Amino acid sequence: QLQLQESGPRLVKPSETLSLTCTVSRGSISRSSYYWAWIRQPPGKGLEWIGSIYYSGDTYYNPSLKRRVTISVDTSKNQFSLRLSSVTAADTAVYYCAAISSSRLTVQHWGQGTLVTVSS
Amino acid sequence: QSVLTQPPSASGTPGQRVTISCSGSSSNIGSNTVNWYQQLPGTAPKLLIYSNNQRPSGVPDRFFGSKSGTSASLAISGLQSEDEADYYCAAWDDSLNGVVFGGGTKLTVL
Repeated sequence: QLQLQESGPRLVKPSETLSLTCTVSRGSISRSSYYWAWIRQPPGKGLEWIGSIYYSGDTYYNPSLKRRVTISVDTSKNQFSLRLSSVTAADTAVYYCAAISSSRLTVQHWGQGTLVTVSS
Repeated sequence: QSVLTQPPSASGTPGQRVTISCSGSSSNIGSNTVNWYQQLPGTAPKLLIYSNNQRPSGVPDRFFGSKSGTSASLAISGLQSEDEADYYCAAWDDSLNGVVFGGGTKLTVL
């Protein structure tokens, strides 16, 4: 069973860049079986797909965040990362990394999530 | 504003059957399968139904998913207190090349 774990700063100042890393274990990030994704959930609100990256390096971003988002993959470390620039309080959320099955197009595996707060 | 539309709340008494609806469009539900997730407080969503009506191993057959056109629904029969949670529908969206979610339905077991 694939396992994913988020890591990174829990507190980010307004206008700065949020950076998170997801470490994948019990499976290779180079597998074509999955898109590697970031999904967030503001406190008390619903889920929002931020973007995904395929093992080939192809990226797909939510148009509402595209201008500020970069997702990258490091196959040597079996990790993928999220950078979200120019953050505001509206970016405060639990950030999940996830694996989307490329055949079923289903978010099949989730990390436990990490709460990132944007505040000065 | 979520791309998929769900009712914000639903409720039922133990043993009852409840249904949660999910409405989308031709670029998501209309052309791809629907998945349902259960989220307990403070935890990550858990895959409950995939490919419209398939249950992952370990999910009781009290949970049933269906899809018709650009809408889908999740039915829970024999409601139990442990079913009290938030439920989200999701589907791939061909115009985004990504996943879209419903706003979530909070299920209360009275």
